[in-house]
Amino acid sequence: EIVMTQSPATLSVSPGERATLSCRASQSVSSNLAWYQQKPGQAPRLLIYGASTRATGIPARFSGSGSGTEFTLTISSLQSEDFAVYYCQQYNNWLSLTFGGGTKVEIK
Amino acid sequence: EVQLVQSGAEVKKPGESLKISCKGSGYSFTSYWIGWVRQMPGKGLEWMGIIYPGDSDTRYSPSFQGQVTISADKSISTAYLQWSSLKASDTAMYYCARHVQRYCSGGSCYLAGYWFDPWGQGTLVTVSS
Repeated sequence: EIVMTQSPATLSVSPGERATLSCRASQSVSSNLAWYQQKPGQAPRLLIYGASTRATGIPARFSGSGSGTEFTLTISSLQSEDFAVYYCQQYNNWLSLTFGGGTKVEIK
Repeated sequence: EVQLVQSGAEVKKPGESLKISCKGSGYSFTSYWIGWVRQMPGKGLEWMGIIYPGDSDTRYSPSFQGQVTISADKSISTAYLQWSSLKASDTAMYYCARHVQRYCSGGSCYLAGYWFDPWGQGTLVTVSS
């Protein structure tokens, strides 16, 4: 099983600032990585797939990068609605999917 | 609009059985795998397994194999997750989500889109004596 490790666990950021979230895979997953956003009391929402492709309707302030074992989700200028928990998920082996433990982005 | 609508919250006692549902609409239900994901209180996301409603091909995470049963009824565009004997540790939010697309062209079939999108609203299952 591929283990996904996200850091930091909690990120305190002021509105308008840049947020950088990391996700590391225990072995290469190529670009087979997705990012999801989950707000309290809501289901997760797809943000990014293929490591860097924004899903339909996702604002341009969200960007993904990386390949192999190291990935980054960047939110260029945090808006109030962006404070949430973010999860990465590898699908290099789609019959053994794994998620990272999540990064909570909170208001500083 | 592509939508997955899940059944409502359940409160059960240990040892009871349960079947929750996930109804798809706005797309060809038999062309996409459907996945189930568990989220225990205050915790992260765990992949449980997937089903292809077109032929009911089902795959499970080793962590959930034998613990739950995933099924589907393509005639009503609905997938299911069921337990035969619930435990307190099954208390969690359960999400379904649309997964991989299977399409055929020129006599060959292909898979595309290995992420989850969209997600159902979730079904909260509480198991307590």
